[in-house]
Amino acid sequence: GQQLNQSPQSMFIQEGEDVSMNCTSSSIFNTWLWYKQDPGEGPVLLIALYKAGELTSNGRLTAQFGITRKDSFLNISASIPSDVGIYFCAVPGASGGGADGLTFGKGTHLIIQP
Amino acid sequence: DAGVIQSPRHEVTEMGQEVTLRCKPISGHNSLFWYRQTMMRGLELLIYFNNNVPIDDSGMPEDRFSAKMPNASFSTLKIQPSEPRDSAVYFCASSLLDGITDTQYFGPGTRLTVL
Repeated sequence: GQQLNQSPQSMFIQEGEDVSMNCTSSSIFNTWLWYKQDPGEGPVLLIALYKAGELTSNGRLTAQFGITRKDSFLNISASIPSDVGIYFCAVPGASGGGADGLTFGKGTHLIIQP
Repeated sequence: DAGVIQSPRHEVTEMGQEVTLRCKPISGHNSLFWYRQTMMRGLELLIYFNNNVPIDDSGMPEDRFSAKMPNASFSTLKIQPSEPRDSAVYFCASSLLDGITDTQYFGPGTRLTVL
């Protein structure tokens, strides 16, 4: 099946720093999604990208859909303590839409040191 | 809106026992998904339903796993007999396929421990 390579696996940063993470694949996708998972909770959708080259923001979060359609990036500016969690990239299944289940990257653990 | 509801939140059982996980999707949603999360394998899709019909169960690891959706507001994932390697967090998610948005909303998960 399709595989997403997400990096870094974990990040230890100081509050206020900017964060950058990415996902790559050998396959082309029409949709890239970014989720965040807080401890003890299910993943929550942060940003959805539907067009190659698209740059979308959600508050301090900015995500980009790579022009090759094989990668995506998520940036967090001026990190705050509540940004702590696991961030996942995800892509839909064969149909490319919500009718299919999602394939997730392995996640990036974000840890913020006071 | 109550969101996706899963029960129980935690389940501890002994190897060989039957385990049933329950999910109530968001009212009005027409797709339901079961995922499993482990440290080693991350988040994996097990099975999903569209309009209560199972569409793809290729992610179900073994015949010991089965899922049903008898109506639009309820689904179960059953493991029989359970094994220690089934220990994981199991998530249910639902979405509305309306051609406008297809966001999947996840429940809080059921943490299963098989001793």
